[in-house]
Amino acid sequence: QSALTQPASVSGSPGQSITISCTGTSSDVGGYNYVSWYQQHPGKAPKLMIYDVTNRPSGVSDRFSGSKSGNTASLTISGLQAEDEADYYCSSYTSTSTHVAFGGGTKLTVL
Amino acid sequence: QVQLQESGPGLVKPSETLSLTCTVSGDSVNSVIYYWSWIRQPPGKGLEWIAYMHYSGSSNYNPSLKSRATISVDTSKNQLSLKLNAVTAADTAVYYCASKKVGATYYFDYWGQGTLVTVSS
Repeated sequence: QSALTQPASVSGSPGQSITISCTGTSSDVGGYNYVSWYQQHPGKAPKLMIYDVTNRPSGVSDRFSGSKSGNTASLTISGLQAEDEADYYCSSYTSTSTHVAFGGGTKLTVL
Repeated sequence: QVQLQESGPGLVKPSETLSLTCTVSGDSVNSVIYYWSWIRQPPGKGLEWIAYMHYSGSSNYNPSLKSRATISVDTSKNQLSLKLNAVTAADTAVYYCASKKVGATYYFDYWGQGTLVTVSS
């Protein structure tokens, strides 16, 4: 059982926007601005998309954005494209002895 | 840009020790700015952080694996290694090495392609 809770799946049509949530506690998501998001295509390694809640690494499209409210972080993808279809994982620092927690992952389907 | 490449046996017998190596290129494993990490992903499941280590010797382990896992750095070969002993079928996973910057950062910016390890007799 993952420490952070994500919906199993979300879907959207090309051009639409979708949001993926990541719910934790005050010991992780809610207590620190150390939430990151990863995109993983089938058979590939995860790719960092967002770090420290809102920051995009160089080279990541500005269609990807992150936010946080309370114990829930969110990844929003605007202008959905077919290539965005992938699994998305959130991660957070946690003050528990685990240090780093991941969500269970969300499968994004572009209809 | 950092590049990472995992290697190791694809099949390990139950109760034996899993040994993996990650070769670092594009930077030095004794870079002061990076922790080097291992993360795994069972087939069809989510990600699990195993451990990370700085070349200076500073390290952190996932408590659920700490008793069985050992991470190390070989500066002469520019590699990091993972040993996981007393493996069971539950350790079957794709194992990734990844980099994490030192300081108050808790994201993994560069990843290897991963290597599948199956635990089976």
